[in-house]
Amino acid sequence: GAVVSQHPSRVICKSGTSVKIECRSLDFQATTMFWYRQFPKQSLMLMATSNEGSKATYEQGVEKDKFLINHASLTLSTLTVTSAHPEDSSFYICSAGEGTNYGYTFGSGTRLTVV
Amino acid sequence: QQQVKQSPQSLIVQKGGISIINCAYENTAFDYFPWYQQFPGKGPALLIAIRPDVSEKKEGRFTISFNKSAKQFSLHIMDSQPGDSATYFCAAKVGGQNFVFGPGTRLSVLP
Repeated sequence: GAVVSQHPSRVICKSGTSVKIECRSLDFQATTMFWYRQFPKQSLMLMATSNEGSKATYEQGVEKDKFLINHASLTLSTLTVTSAHPEDSSFYICSAGEGTNYGYTFGSGTRLTVV
Repeated sequence: QQQVKQSPQSLIVQKGGISIINCAYENTAFDYFPWYQQFPGKGPALLIAIRPDVSEKKEGRFTISFNKSAKQFSLHIMDSQPGDSATYFCAAKVGGQNFVFGPGTRLSVLP
């Protein structure tokens, strides 16, 4: 089955620094990737939709300049949290689609802690 | 109209029992209804999914029941095991649009 690799699984960074999270589709080409944020004991909140070779589409309320998304190839999308602050601490999850509208696989998530 | 409601918020079941989680939606354009299982610190994993032209789908111990007229669907876990303890999310989708997730149900299966 489709495998989506997300790295790192955990990261701790100092306030004011930037952190990059990678999402890779290992055995398929992903034209679309989604980035989610999940707070403890809550559901997934869509942050942005990333399409290969074009600008990401951000959900309302998500700061484009803080959460930079790059989808430079059909197998890699990155989320960079810029100038991170403690309130950015959360669980970030990506998902990638194989080209159909329904076959999306989730990555294993990244726990970001900003101290 | 994009909301998916899910209940209960938490569920405790004895080993061997049946776990039932219910979801309801409003948008009749939804045409794909998956259930995801999420363990702590991990991403969601697709458990089972159904299309609205089918009333029931079974895969092993997991069954989705779908009621199109009532706009409801449910997940049944038969012979629940402690290893099934996780958070379960129902979701709904329309074609090329994004998933709409329910708020989740925390299932605990007691040994």
